[in-house]
Amino acid sequence: GDSVTQMEGPVTLSEEAFLTINCTYTATGYPSLFWYVQYPGEGLQLLLKATKADDKGSNKGFEATYRKETTSFHLEKGSVQVSDSAVYFCALSDYYGNNRLAFGKGNQVVVIP
Amino acid sequence: NAGVMQNPRHLVRRRGQEARLRCSPVKGHSHVYWYRQLPEEGLKFMVYLQKENIIDESGMPKERFSAEFPKEGPSILRIQQVVRGDSAAYFCASSLRQGEGTEAFFGQGTRLTVV
Repeated sequence: GDSVTQMEGPVTLSEEAFLTINCTYTATGYPSLFWYVQYPGEGLQLLLKATKADDKGSNKGFEATYRKETTSFHLEKGSVQVSDSAVYFCALSDYYGNNRLAFGKGNQVVVIP
Repeated sequence: NAGVMQNPRHLVRRRGQEARLRCSPVKGHSHVYWYRQLPEEGLKFMVYLQKENIIDESGMPKERFSAEFPKEGPSILRIQQVVRGDSAAYFCASSLRQGEGTEAFFGQGTRLTVV
């Protein structure tokens, strides 16, 4: 079935550093891809999305490009802030559009001042 | 402009008791999804409901778990005779429609602890 794999382990980095979180997927057809962010004590919020190959989603300085050839949707930000500290989840919804999401395990990001 | 409301935020139950988790979707949304997040895991799909109908329950355990979304009132996820392994965060999401790239709005979750 459809699945999402995120890089293992938390990510700790200094303020203004470059952030990359890897995400690869396995799916039949052409899924839509999402990044969700979960701040402490909160629910998940949609950060960005892409619905077809080569689309780039962007929001709040974060970007991710839908790469069909490498089945990837890596999240990047050029200069992180302390307020970006959160858990980031990569997810996909299947081609048939029932909006059922398959999530990766998530990555805890800690930004140190 | 209320988002998805879940209650309670925290729920403690003894083994063998029943747990009822409530979810009020965003106003006007008729599609509701329940997900479970076990410790150190991502969210796993449980069930997808539209008003008064279960559309996809392929992620629900076959026993003890049930869900409903009545014509009036919130969606309810019910867990009978809870066991320690049911301890998790349960998230509800809603969407306005079904289709490619549709955004799902998530609640803050209910954290169930079985003692």
